[in-house]
Amino acid sequence: AQSVTQPDIHITVSEGASLELRCNYSYGATPYLFWYVQSPGQGLQLLLKYFSGDTLVQGIKGFEAEFKRSQSSFNLRKPSVHWSDAAEYFCAVGRLNSGYSTLTFGKGTMLLVSP
Amino acid sequence: NAGVMQNPRHLVRRRGQEARLRCSPMKGHSHVYWYRQLPEEGLKFMVYLQKENIIDESGMPKERFSAEFPKEGPSILRIQQVVRGDSAAYFCASSPYRDPPDAFFGQGTRLTVV
Repeated sequence: AQSVTQPDIHITVSEGASLELRCNYSYGATPYLFWYVQSPGQGLQLLLKYFSGDTLVQGIKGFEAEFKRSQSSFNLRKPSVHWSDAAEYFCAVGRLNSGYSTLTFGKGTMLLVSP
Repeated sequence: NAGVMQNPRHLVRRRGQEARLRCSPMKGHSHVYWYRQLPEEGLKFMVYLQKENIIDESGMPKERFSAEFPKEGPSILRIQQVVRGDSAAYFCASSPYRDPPDAFFGQGTRLTVV
């Protein structure tokens, strides 16, 4: 069975500093990979996705992620964090099963931004 | 183009009552997924439906839970005889494709069982 690991439950970053959120997955083939963000009491907003092609993916709000097959990782990065980025971030893997895919999520990383 | 619409946003039910959660997918999307978010557990897949068909219900409890996506109207997730452990946020996502899963999520329904 596939799994997604986000090793950091909480991360605190100073406003203006760079950010990297880690995501590792286990899956037998090249997966579909996603990062979502969730603000308190809200739904999930898609930040970026990787299906194939260029392994460096650009997303919304200045985020990017890099797929590294050798490390089974899909880490999310942002060069300069804003206070409005404080939220919970979820990495997800698309599991292909008989011609369709469902998502397996990591447990999330809560990002706190300090002044 | 409106996003995925879920209603109600908040639902309170007493133990033993029924809960009905509705999801209207984005225009042009015929694939609907339901996920449940329990505290400390993250989001878990429950069921995947295409119009009038359940494709995969492997994540849905066998008892008390059912889902439908009729030809007309929203997708419905139905929980009969709710128990405290059903308290969670339930999210619906829709996609225009069977694969890849280009899923857009709704705001969720937060169910509280008292």
